[in-house]
Amino acid sequence: SQTIHQWPATLVQPVGSPLSLECTVEGTSNPNLYWYRQAAGRGLQLLFYSVGIGQISSEVPQNLSASRPQDRQFILSSKKLLLSDSGFYLCAWSEDQGQPQHFGDGTRLSIL
Amino acid sequence: DQQVKQNSPSLSVQEGRISILNCDYTNSMFDYFLWYKKYPAEGPTFLISISSIKDKNEDGRFTVFLNKSAKHLSLHIVPSQPGDSAVYFCAASVVSYSGAGSYQLTFGKGTKLSVIP
Repeated sequence: SQTIHQWPATLVQPVGSPLSLECTVEGTSNPNLYWYRQAAGRGLQLLFYSVGIGQISSEVPQNLSASRPQDRQFILSSKKLLLSDSGFYLCAWSEDQGQPQHFGDGTRLSIL
Repeated sequence: DQQVKQNSPSLSVQEGRISILNCDYTNSMFDYFLWYKKYPAEGPTFLISISSIKDKNEDGRFTVFLNKSAKHLSLHIVPSQPGDSAVYFCAASVVSYSGAGSYQLTFGKGTKLSVIP
């Protein structure tokens, strides 16, 4: 069966520091991969999605970037974190467009 | 503008009875709908989905109903069990569109279900 791993579960970082969140999927090939963010009091917002290795699409302009160095690995990065980057970050995968997305357990990021 | 709305923040139901969770949407382009369940400190878990070409989909104790004319869907859980206590999210997307927006799931804010033993 397919599983998705996301780490770390919680992270506290100072403003201006770099960020790297990692997500890996097991048990499937060539999945669509997604990064979502939930800011306090708001719904889930799609940040990036990827339909294949090296293919990244961004839904909103921001201080973050994503990369997919391997088929089942999706990384969310920032060179310099802002206070507004605080939130709950979720990675997800799906077999294809129009198929259910399956989520990891999320990373709660606090910027000080 | 909230395109997917879950107007009841919470719901309490007696064990063994039916739980009905409701969701309304405003974007008539949505053609694929999903329900997720979320426990504290975990990510959302997919429960059931329905395409706009159907009006009902059933999976065990879970049934989703879609009323396109009213832009309304509901999740029925029968019989409700204490383990069903969680936050339930309704989500929608436009899969018939081939552009970037078709990958986006738009979520409601959730309804907290408490099933009382």
